[in-house]
Amino acid sequence: GESVGLHLPTLSVQEGDNSIINCAYSNSASDYFIWYKQESGKGPQFIIDIRSNMDKRQGQRVTVLLNKTVKHLSLQIAATQPGDSAVYFCAENRVTGGGNKLTFGTGTQLKVEL
Amino acid sequence: GAGVSQSPSNKVTEKGKDVELRCDPISGHTALYWYRQSLGQGLEFLIYFQGNSAPDKSGLPSDRFSAERTGGSVSTLTIQRTQQEDSAVYLCASSFFGTRSEKLFFGSGTQLSVL
Repeated sequence: GESVGLHLPTLSVQEGDNSIINCAYSNSASDYFIWYKQESGKGPQFIIDIRSNMDKRQGQRVTVLLNKTVKHLSLQIAATQPGDSAVYFCAENRVTGGGNKLTFGTGTQLKVEL
Repeated sequence: GAGVSQSPSNKVTEKGKDVELRCDPISGHTALYWYRQSLGQGLEFLIYFQGNSAPDKSGLPSDRFSAERTGGSVSTLTIQRTQQEDSAVYLCASSFFGTRSEKLFFGSGTQLSVL
């Protein structure tokens, strides 16, 4: 069936280093791939997305890469800060006649060490 | 402006009781979603409302779960005869439909504990 999953459940990085969070997906028909950040006790928060016809998109300190050949998505965070500590979810969105349905992966816990 | 509001933030109930969870979406958002998140797990899709269209109920785990959206705004998720496996955080999200509809705005969730 359709699934979106993550390679690493926990990632620890030193403050100031770059972080790379990976995600594998199986549904080639998805229109968008999205990254969400969830801090403890809060709902997920949109970070950045990428259309399926793109392979790279940059935001503020974040870059998302999409490799459709191997169905792989990654989130790169530059100069990781303590405030980046959270669980990061990748998600895929497919627009159909009935609307949208986002399918989320399991999540990766990012821990920033001082 | 106000974000997505969910109430209650915490709910403790006894097995077999019914519970109602409420979601107030962002004003003007036509799409509303319910997700469930178990401890340390990802988000499990439950149900999706879009405007006046019939809701997508494909994620509801059993007929004990139902949801309504009145007047295209407030939504209530009802769980009847709760079971311990229903314990989770129930998250509501809303979005515009159309451009950037994949950008969901989530509430902080309702933590449901079934004893």
